Amino acid sequence: AQSVTQLDSQVPVFEEAPVELRCNYSSSVSVYLFWYVQYPNQGLQLLLKYLSGSTLVKGINGFEAEFNKSQTSFHLRKPSVHISDTAEYFCAVSEYGNKLVFGAGTILRVKS
Amino acid sequence: KAGVTQTPRYLIKTRGQQVTLSCSPISGHRSVSWYQQTPGQGLQFLFEYFSETQRNKGNFPGRFSGRQFSNSRSEMNVSTLELGDSALYLCASSLGQGELNTEAFFGQGTRLTVV
Repeated sequence: AQSVTQLDSQVPVFEEAPVELRCNYSSSVSVYLFWYVQYPNQGLQLLLKYLSGSTLVKGINGFEAEFNKSQTSFHLRKPSVHISDTAEYFCAVSEYGNKLVFGAGTILRVKS
Repeated sequence: KAGVTQTPRYLIKTRGQQVTLSCSPISGHRSVSWYQQTPGQGLQFLFEYFSETQRNKGNFPGRFSGRQFSNSRSEMNVSTLELGDSALYLCASSLGQGELNTEAFFGQGTRLTVV
């Protein structure tokens, strides 16, 4: 069975500072890895995905993530955050596109 | 290209009633999945439909059911509503097969409140 652990429930950070949101996963098979963002009262928007190939994945809004197979991690990073990045972020795994296993989510709070 | 459309956006029902939620996927997408999001349990997979057949099912009681029509639109039904069914129900569509079936697109969700 697959599972995802997001190590921080909340991450406060000042505007223009760098941020890392941590995600570890477990799976007995090869999986795809995703980061989604959710703004209040909205659905989920895909930030980026890892399918295969280069372990450094770039996404929208300046986010990137690095797949580390030996540590079974897929941490999300941004070098400089904005107030508008305040949202909840979800790490997810799947064996194929439409059956996702999500982590509990990390609330990113950007302070001015 | 239109996104995933869920209707209604908000719904208030009484315990014991039943409810039907609707999801129209992106044109050309044949797979529709449903997820329940609650503060306590987070995002949980309910089921997936592909070409009118349930392809995968999560760990929910039989009160939760769904179906998919020939145009790929999907409905989800919850019978005998309980207070704990209050949640945001999210629908996601994807191609359903092939090498490009690696991304699910989500609708804005239906907020169900059971009173």
